[in-house]
Amino acid sequence: EAQVTQNPRYLITVTGKKLTVTCSQNMNHEYMSWYRQDPGLGLRQIYYSMNVEVTDKGDVPEGYKVSRKEKRNFPLILESPSPNQTSLYFCASSSPGSVPDTQYFGPGTRLTVL
Amino acid sequence: QKEVEQNSGPLSVPEGAIASLNCTYSDRGSQSFFWYRQYSGKSPELIMSIYSNGDKEDGRFTAQLNKASQYVSLLIRDSQPSDSATYLCAVGANTGGFKTIFGAGTRLFVKA
Repeated sequence: EAQVTQNPRYLITVTGKKLTVTCSQNMNHEYMSWYRQDPGLGLRQIYYSMNVEVTDKGDVPEGYKVSRKEKRNFPLILESPSPNQTSLYFCASSSPGSVPDTQYFGPGTRLTVL
Repeated sequence: QKEVEQNSGPLSVPEGAIASLNCTYSDRGSQSFFWYRQYSGKSPELIMSIYSNGDKEDGRFTAQLNKASQYVSLLIRDSQPSDSATYLCAVGANTGGFKTIFGAGTRLFVKA
């Protein structure tokens, strides 16, 4: 089954404790992206990756890191989480041509930073 | 700042009516346009994509694009209670990065 998976689905942590949210897709997609979703603000892009070892900042990259060492995986790293990073996080992937194309979303990770 | 604007709603329509959802965008370099549906607590799923001016129909859904007015809309005919969800407008551009920008979404309620 074609899918995007994220782990963990739910996480409660404390300020300053490093964490990683994993994202994996089995569709051989080149493009992967991380979003956060907050009430009233919609989906905001954190980072995206056009392919292995190619990443770029989205609209809200502060406090986050990413890496793309393999095509299927795109982990999101919070080196020192803060309460304002409490949010619902989605990973997405697509296989764009000359323009951004349909994205397939993972199930989401609900993060609470105390 | 490139923006995508939607009326947050809620938009309430009776069952069987036409629901009309609207979206405007600021980046004239935008080249791809999407409507996603998101049920509460779930991930967004694609309803329609449109790339050129005019109408595109798929079942009960019609997407309309007007690049000159920087406007994209979604019509849902014969609305059903199961259509009650938040509808996200998304716009893709490859100017200044290969990015997709989402609107904040419009909540739709279809009353039985």
